[in-house]
Amino acid sequence: EVQLVESGGGLVQPGGSLRLSCAASGLTVSSSYMTWVRQAPGKGLEWVSVIYSSGVTYYAGSVKGRFTISRDFSKNTLYLQVNSLRVEDTAVYYCARVVTLGYATPFDYWGQGTLVTVSS
Amino acid sequence: DIRMTQSPSSLSASVGDRVTITCRASHDIMTYLNWYQQKPGKAPNLLIFATSNLQSGVPSRFSGSGSGTDFTLTITSLQPEDFATYYCQQSYSPPWTFGPGTKVEIK
Repeated sequence: EVQLVESGGGLVQPGGSLRLSCAASGLTVSSSYMTWVRQAPGKGLEWVSVIYSSGVTYYAGSVKGRFTISRDFSKNTLYLQVNSLRVEDTAVYYCARVVTLGYATPFDYWGQGTLVTVSS
Repeated sequence: DIRMTQSPSSLSASVGDRVTITCRASHDIMTYLNWYQQKPGKAPNLLIFATSNLQSGVPSRFSGSGSGTDFTLTITSLQPEDFATYYCQQSYSPPWTFGPGTKVEIK
């Protein structure tokens, strides 16, 4: 059974940093495409970043240069380093597995999310 | 970036109704379009991938169609557990983007 468990969220002041973690079981992070999606309170889903199995990464324009996606093979864990946080980064952050089904790349397994609150 | 829009933003329907949600992309995304269902306080759940392929375990009353820039999600005979918010998402090219969502409420 696949499980993704996020952690690392919390209350942080504007300009601060956090490292979000996504511990995986039932799948191998290093051989998967993995992604982060966030959802501000009462708002819709916003895609944040992806890391391919090759290590190639992409980011949403709103976080590029401030967020960094990475992974630890030995811990089978995905990370999102979030720096220079802004009030508008307040959201629940979900990690998800990107399944490659032919040419399609939907997100089939999701974690429960971790809440990041940016406030002074 | 590819911008996704959805209509309507919300709708009220009764159990047994047929519901159709429309999603439009700002650029041609071929059939690289996925649909998710989200219930309050829960993570999204994949319903349909690549426009019309039902994810394993998803009831057959859900279906998807379209190509290019215009797509639809149809729920035939709405069930009580289908009241939720539905999002389309393009996976044509990063940055991947979601539509704003359609909330399906009980009439």
